[in-house]
Amino acid sequence: EVQLQQSGAELVKPGASVKLSCKTSGYTFSNYYMSWLKQMPGQNIEWIGNIYGGNGGTGYNQKFKGKATLTVDKSSSTAYMDLSSLTSEDSAVYFCARAASWELGNWFAYWGQGTLVTVSS
Amino acid sequence: DIQLTQSPSSMSASLGDRVSLTCQSSQGIGNYLSWYQHKPGKPPKPMIYYATNLADGVPSRFSGSRSGSDYSLTISSLESEDTAIYYCLQYDEYPYTFGAGTKLELK
Repeated sequence: EVQLQQSGAELVKPGASVKLSCKTSGYTFSNYYMSWLKQMPGQNIEWIGNIYGGNGGTGYNQKFKGKATLTVDKSSSTAYMDLSSLTSEDSAVYFCARAASWELGNWFAYWGQGTLVTVSS
Repeated sequence: DIQLTQSPSSMSASLGDRVSLTCQSSQGIGNYLSWYQHKPGKPPKPMIYYATNLADGVPSRFSGSRSGSDYSLTISSLESEDTAIYYCLQYDEYPYTFGAGTKLELK
């Protein structure tokens, strides 16, 4: 069974950074893309970017370049997202989501439970 | 960026009703469109991929269709558990983009 387990809620101060994790199991980590998504309260879902588990190759939404950095640790089958220089606009729920497959396409077949990030002094 | 326009933004329907939600793309995306059901406190659940294919475990009362740049999600007979926000997603080109969602409620 494919599972994506995200790290717990974070309360961080403005200007600080935070690193979110998405630990996976139930599939071969190296063979799939992992995306990260943002949803502010009552707002639309935004795609931040994705990373390939095999070689760490990334694709970013221009809007989040400089804000988010995606990495992977193949040894632990875990994806990470660093968010830097946090402001109130970064307060949101962040999801990791795994792409379906090469054959079926990069729609988001599996999702983590989400991590709430609150930026407040 | 590709814009997806969902309509209506919200709607209410009765149990057993046939419900159709629409998503219009600003550019050609082929069939690279998927639909997600989102309930409070849970991650979005995939419902449809490649415009017309049912995701695993999704009840057969859900279906997807395409007419040109208009994509639809149809529920043939509404059940109470179907109340949620439904989002469409294009995954044809970066950046992947979502529609603003349709909130579906029971009348």
